[in-house]
Amino acid sequence: AQSVAQPEDQVNVAEGNPLTVKCTYSVSGNPYLFWYVQYPNRGLQFLLKYITGDNLVKGSYGFEAEFNKSQTSFHLKKPSALVSDSALYFCAVRDRGNYGGSQGNLIFGKGTKLSVKP
Amino acid sequence: DSGVTQTPKHLITATGQRVTLRCSPRSGDLSVYWYQQSLDQGLQFLIQYYNGEERAKGNILERFSAQQFPDLHSELNLSSLELGDSALYFCASSARTGPNTEAFFGQGTRLTVV
Repeated sequence: AQSVAQPEDQVNVAEGNPLTVKCTYSVSGNPYLFWYVQYPNRGLQFLLKYITGDNLVKGSYGFEAEFNKSQTSFHLKKPSALVSDSALYFCAVRDRGNYGGSQGNLIFGKGTKLSVKP
Repeated sequence: DSGVTQTPKHLITATGQRVTLRCSPRSGDLSVYWYQQSLDQGLQFLIQYYNGEERAKGNILERFSAQQFPDLHSELNLSSLELGDSALYFCASSARTGPNTEAFFGQGTRLTVV
């Protein structure tokens, strides 16, 4: 079964410093990996995805993620954190079941709360 | 704005009652997913519909049911509500263009059972 793990419940970073939010995955076959962000009292917003190709994926708001097949990781990164980046971040993997041509559902990690202090 | 609309935004109801949550997917999206977000369980997949047919079931209780209508909007019905059903319920939609397609989420319906 597909799964993702986010080992850190919370990450604290000072504004201007680089940030990393960790994610490891377990899949059969090729992984389809996603990062979403959730601001307070809001829905999830798509940040970026890895499908194939370049291991460094660039996404919205200056975020990027590095896919590492040997370590089965897909860590989210940003070179310089902003206070406004403070939010809940979710890593997800697409389920690969046979759904008659439709997409399998997304399986989410438990989320990591990012706190960026001025 | 993701293009996915959920109503109502907030719902307060008593134990034992039944409620219906509504979702309008992005224009053209055939797949609709329902998720439950609670503090202790995180984001749990409930059920998926594709073009009106049920495609996948996750951790959905028997007291819960869903359907997708010909106009592609979906409803999640929660009955015999318990205090533990209090959560944020999200709907998401995606297009039928391959497994690499991201899902777009609505703002959610916050259900409080008292």
